[in-house]
Amino acid sequence: DAGVIQSPRHEVTEMGQEVTLRCKPISGHNSLFWYRQTMMRGLELLIYFNNNVPIDDSGMPEDRFSAKMPNASFSTLKIQPSEPRDSAVYFCASSLAASWETQYFGPGTRLLVL
Amino acid sequence: RKEVEQDPGPFNVPEGATVAFNCTYSNSASQSFFWYRQDCRKEPKLLMSVYSSGNEDGRFTAQLNRASQYISLLIRDSKLSDSATYLCVVNGGNYQLIWGAGTKLIIKP
Repeated sequence: DAGVIQSPRHEVTEMGQEVTLRCKPISGHNSLFWYRQTMMRGLELLIYFNNNVPIDDSGMPEDRFSAKMPNASFSTLKIQPSEPRDSAVYFCASSLAASWETQYFGPGTRLLVL
Repeated sequence: RKEVEQDPGPFNVPEGATVAFNCTYSNSASQSFFWYRQDCRKEPKLLMSVYSSGNEDGRFTAQLNRASQYISLLIRDSKLSDSATYLCVVNGGNYQLIWGAGTKLIIKP
């Protein structure tokens, strides 16, 4: 069975450019989470969706970050404009809402903003 | 004080030894707890849930101490493949998991 799929796996961009990260959750999962991981701050929840609806985006750093989930099988996280401090590993995770604590992570996108 | 605190390590342990590490949490109302494992440059994966009565899965044992607000993970007969970072996770409510920074474990031959 396919797990959570993320693309791209690596992204190198210049400051000011738009970055779009993509995620396909496990089929049948109805909760989706976007995380950011850095050495300094560890794993931080950015936003999560239930049944494609954003429930809590309080973890989104600022207006430069936006996330969408147009359907049950696809989500995007966009950074515009990107800054060097956005450099991190971005993980997408999915779960069943009834057992949301058991989250299945994608392989992550390693983002480097120069 | 951080909500979930872990000793970052690294714990350097010879193969076959037993190793244990703890994690403390600040919210006494927390109801559920987990250990996730993260290999170098990989994603976190659920290792085990931690129940009030403690639970065991093969060589791994997790315990919860509510009075002192800590959870522990014990690994017996450690293998080289156990080398990883172990993340302590607490249910923060409202679909939020509170993640510790992780304890790095290195098993040496």
